[in-house]
Amino acid sequence: DAKTTQPNSMESNEEEPVHLPCNHSTISGTDYIHWYRQLPSQGPEYVIHGLTSNVNNRMASLAIAEDRKSSTLILHRATLRDAAVYYCTPREEYNQGGKLIFGQGTELSVKP
Amino acid sequence: DVKVTQSSRYLVKRTGEKVFLECVQDMDHENMFWYRQDPGLGLRLIYFSYDVKMKEKGDIPEGYSVSREKKERFSLILESASTNQTSMYLCASSSASRTLSNQPQHFGDGTRLSIL
Repeated sequence: DAKTTQPNSMESNEEEPVHLPCNHSTISGTDYIHWYRQLPSQGPEYVIHGLTSNVNNRMASLAIAEDRKSSTLILHRATLRDAAVYYCTPREEYNQGGKLIFGQGTELSVKP
Repeated sequence: DVKVTQSSRYLVKRTGEKVFLECVQDMDHENMFWYRQDPGLGLRLIYFSYDVKMKEKGDIPEGYSVSREKKERFSLILESASTNQTSMYLCASSSASRTLSNQPQHFGDGTRLSIL
């Protein structure tokens, strides 16, 4: 199973950008990087995923390093509703149906 | 919008009972998964299914079985519940495109199961 490393916690002020880093140095060349977030007592919510290029969607942007050993999830303007635990995970193509592996994640708190 | 529905948000059962957790998805996804999530242990795969009547063991299948009689429904069964199966159970589904890794997984809200 691939390994990821994320900071345990981060703080942000409302309306400011947030950059959440993730190291995934053991990722293989064909596996996409996925990001999910989870509120207390809820299931994980898909945020974004990418392979090599930077990706944007309505929730966030994903910047992937050229060597693919790290990535950064960018929330352009944090809101109170973005407070959650954020997980990055490679989705391994040939590993048990592409199971997801969550580490401890980054707990993001947003101050008004 | 995608929808994965788990039958119960909270469930309390007794040791030795047979417990059924149901999951339904409305996205016509081929792949479905059952995970459990515990503090300090992260997300662990119990079983997954590629198609109707197909199932594969995950990392921690002991004490569990699954059933997939229809494409949209994936059931997790605790054959004889034990206290160490107290956990948050999460069902997920994803499309089975040519590039599996390029497909997001969509989760239900989870079932918090307590075994007394």
